[in-house]
Parts: sequence; C-alpha cells; structure tokens
Amino acid sequence: GENVEQHPSTLSVQEGDSAVIKCTYSDSASNYFPWYKQELGKGPQLIIDIRSNVGEKKDQRIAVTLNKTAKHFSLHITETQPEDSAVYFCAAREDSGAGSYQLTFGKGTKLSVIP
Amino acid sequence: DAGVTQSPTHLIKTRGQQVTLRCSPKSGHDTVSWYQQALGQGPQFIFQYYEEEERQRGNFPDRFSGHQFPNYSSELNVNALLLGDSALYLCASSLDYRATGNTIYFGEGSWLTVV
Repeated sequence: GENVEQHPSTLSVQEGDSAVIKCTYSDSASNYFPWYKQELGKGPQLIIDIRSNVGEKKDQRIAVTLNKTAKHFSLHITETQPEDSAVYFCAAREDSGAGSYQLTFGKGTKLSVIP
Repeated sequence: DAGVTQSPTHLIKTRGQQVTLRCSPKSGHDTVSWYQQALGQGPQFIFQYYEEEERQRGNFPDRFSGHQFPNYSSELNVNALLLGDSALYLCASSLDYRATGNTIYFGEGSWLTVV
C-alpha cells in the first residue's frame, strides 16, 4: 500500500517569512495530492490540492509543487501570518482500480508562526 | 450549502460498550469515507461507502462496521470498545471516483473517549 512521509514534524517561522513542508510517497499510481490544515479540536480543512498531470498550483499565499519522477510534493506558504499556525497534513490518493480510493496521510507538521 | 456534518461532537463510553457515529455528506456528494485519527497522528482510513455498500476497507477489525442510507448519509458503528479506540473519528465526503474534479472534504469529527 501507499506510504507517505512528511517533514519536518515541527516548524517555527517568524511572521512574514516563508514556510515549506515536504512529503514523499511510495506508490507511483497515486494521482491526487491534497493538503489539509487542522486547527486544535477541529477537522481537517482542505487548503490546496494538486493532481498528477500538473506540476505546480498556486492560490494566493499558498502553493504546491509536485515532482512525479522523484515522488515528492511540497507545500509553500509565503508571508506567513499568526493565523497560519496549525497542524498541516499532506495526503496521497491511491486508486485501487476497483472503483474505490483512499487517502493516505503523512504524520503532520505543526507550524508555529511567531508574531 | 452545508458542509459535512457529524454527530455527536463528543462522547464518552465504557470499555465493552458499543457506539454509533453519524455523518451527513456535503450536498451533492454520494461517497462517504470514515477515518480514525489518534492524538498526534494523521487520519487513518477505516472504510468507504458508495451506493449503500462498503466499497473498500482499511486495516481495521470487524468490530468496526458501517452503513450508508439512500440519502447518502452514513453511520459508523464500533462494538466491544477498547481503550485504544479513543480517537477523533472523521467523516469524509466526495463524489464518486469517476467524477472529474473530485475533492474530498472532512467534517469536524466526533471525539470518542473510552474509559
């Protein structure tokens, strides 16, 4: 099955700086890679996603890059703000070929933005 | 447009008891998946329901079972609760895998504590 590794596990940045979180996946059949932000006591909130036919996607201060050959993808947050502080999860969707799919998650990165 | 709604938000059960968690998917979505998130970990896939049938199952024992109703809402049942079942249970909704632009949304979760 799919295995997703996420680094770093914790990340502290000064307000206004950039933050980068990196993930690698093992199954070359995975074709969809979402990123979720999870605040304390809440469910994961989708912040951006990328599909395997695209190398990069940007939404305001957030961008995601995908390298299919190396099987890694990264989340970039620019001009960080205190409200960006949360746990971020990367995930990979594996198509089983039997008409079903599941998300495999990384272990998460706790981002702290210091004012 | 209501997102994914889950109930109850919090509950406490005793070892050996049974619990039922409920989920209403996002409007227009027909596929429901359940995930378990232990403290400090990423969500882990339990199973997925489509057209009222379990379509895929993760590495969870038979004590975990589910159901999907004709209106696409779903229930997760856990029998013979163990202390290790204490976790945040997340419901995820999406369109069928064959739909284009498929995106997976999560609810806020149900916090289960087993004592």
